[in-house]
Amino acid sequence: GDSVTQMEGPVTLSEEAFLTINCTYTATGYPSLFWYVQYPGEGLQLLLKATKADDKGSNKGFEATYRKETTSFHLEKGSVQVSDSAVYFCALSDQAGTALIFGKGTTLSVSS
Amino acid sequence: DAGVIQSPRHEVTEMGQEVTLRCKPISGHNSLFWYRQTMMRGLELLIYFNNNVPIDDSGMPEDRFSAKMPNASFSTLKIQPSEPRDSAVYFCASSRDNYGYTFGSGTRLTVV
Repeated sequence: GDSVTQMEGPVTLSEEAFLTINCTYTATGYPSLFWYVQYPGEGLQLLLKATKADDKGSNKGFEATYRKETTSFHLEKGSVQVSDSAVYFCALSDQAGTALIFGKGTTLSVSS
Repeated sequence: DAGVIQSPRHEVTEMGQEVTLRCKPISGHNSLFWYRQTMMRGLELLIYFNNNVPIDDSGMPEDRFSAKMPNASFSTLKIQPSEPRDSAVYFCASSRDNYGYTFGSGTRLTVV
């Protein structure tokens, strides 16, 4: 079945460092791909998405490119801030009306 | 828009008691999802509805769990009887045609 694999955390960085969180997926069709972020004590929020191959999703300085050839959707940010400390989830949706499949989440901790 | 509204935010109950969690999705969204989050198992899909109809309840752990969606603006997740291993954060999310979920803030359930 469909699945999402994320790099295990925690990821610990200093402020202004470059961030990459790896995400790969397995799907039978042509899924839409998502990154969600969860701040402490809150629900998940959609960070960015891409619906077809070679699309780049971006938001708040974060980017991810849908790579069909490598079945990947890695999250990147050029310069992280302390306020980016959160748990990041990669997810896929194989078709409209079905449930999102989430990875296990990667905890990011940024120190000043 | 008030977003997805869950109640209560926190629930502490004794083992064996009935627990009811409530969710009001975003108006106009046609899919509703119940997830459970724990440190050990991450985010688990329990059940989801399309147009108020349960589509997939294979994630419901056992018969003690039940969910209903009597109309487009309300859903409940009931646990009867509750057990300590049910302690988790329960999230409700809604979407329209799966173009990104909107999550509620969650209900933190503690069964003692």
